[in-house]
Formats: sequence, structure tokens, C-alpha cells
Amino acid sequence: DQQVKQNSPSLSVQEGRISILNCDYTNSMFDYFLWYKKYPAEGPTFLISISSIKDKNEDGRFTVFLNKSAKHLSLHIVPSQPGDSAVYFCAASSRRKTGANNLFFGTGTRLTVIP
Amino acid sequence: DGGITQSPKYLFRKEGQNVTLSCEQNLNHDAMYWYRQDPGQGLRLIYYSQIVNDFQKGDIAEGYSVSREKKESFPLTVTSAQKNPTAFYLCASRAGRTNTGELFFGEGSRLTVL
Repeated sequence: DQQVKQNSPSLSVQEGRISILNCDYTNSMFDYFLWYKKYPAEGPTFLISISSIKDKNEDGRFTVFLNKSAKHLSLHIVPSQPGDSAVYFCAASSRRKTGANNLFFGTGTRLTVIP
Repeated sequence: DGGITQSPKYLFRKEGQNVTLSCEQNLNHDAMYWYRQDPGQGLRLIYYSQIVNDFQKGDIAEGYSVSREKKESFPLTVTSAQKNPTAFYLCASRAGRTNTGELFFGEGSRLTVL
């Protein structure tokens, strides 16, 4: 059963506009969330994270919002640039689960930023 | 530069053959992981290791084997028992042994079974 879901497999956005990528999770034990960016034939690279004690974390053009009651997080990219075109994976983990060493990944959303 | 090196980047294998994918890291990380990526399925955990000489099965360990004889190295063997081995394989590492912090990924190895 997929515990982290990214229901939009793809998203196209005009350069300069906002990109919003969404992620839902089902496990209420998750308390740490991450976004990874992946270019074709390369490994994912860490982009931004958020702990469940926060509802927003910002890093330059990237902001992640967390809505714990809805079990939903989103990644906002403003302004979007052509170099942002990639697959974005949402991931979640529970830091309270001792000994666990796993991130649960979503299926990814392919973002295309049109120049 | 510190990082994770996977080799080979591309590999072709005949059915019935075992193949070993290499993963080396010089980040001094304790934990290492192998993931498999298939289209539309995200990343699925094959095996992970928190410490030398110890490793645990992930969600899809059947048909795979690993070893962790050195901290820097975590090779993955795709055996002939793996029914659908064609995929993109990603190795990752993490600094601590607990479930915190982000994973650092290698560039991946694409295995194609002919």
C-alpha cells in the first residue's frame, strides 16, 4: 500500500510562474518530510525538508508547506525556471521509529517548465 | 570530492546470469541503501545496512543479495532468481544510523536483461 502519494504524474508550467507540486500521506506517524529532485539518468538530490513541528519551510525559490490535519504537503517553486524541469519525489519518515532506516517515497511528479 | 560512486552506469545481462553493482562512498556515512526505480513506482527499498557486517531486507529483497564488509562499500548482486531485473538501481547513504537526515544518492546504474 502506497503510504506516500503524488497523484499528479506530470505538471507543465510557464517560466516565471509558480509551480505547485502536491503530496499526500496516510501514516500519521510520519514526522519528517523531504523533497528530492531527479534529472534523467541521475540520482535524486535533496531539495528541501520540513519537520512536523513546522508548517512552512522556505529556501530561496522553494517553499514546502505542511498541513498535518490533512496529511498533505506541497512544494512551491517561485518563479519557475526551465532548469527546474525534473522529476520531483516527495518522501516521508518517522524519526520516532527507532532502528528504522527507510524513507517512503512517492511515485514522483514530472515538472516541465516551458520557456 | 566526497560522494557516492556507482558502477557500472549501464549494464546488460543475459537471462540466468548474476550481476553485481558496485557502490562506494567516501562520505564516512554509517548507513547505506539500495533502491530500485521503475516507471510510475517511485523508489523501492531493496536492502539497507546500518553498520559494517550487518544488513536488513527492504520491501523487495527477493532475488537480490548484498554484503557490507567495509564501511565504504555496499555491493548489490542481482541474482538469476530476480524475475524482473531490468530497472534503474540507486545506491544511497546517510550520516547517522537513525532515521533522520536526508539520503545522498549515487548517479544510478541501469541494468537491462536481454
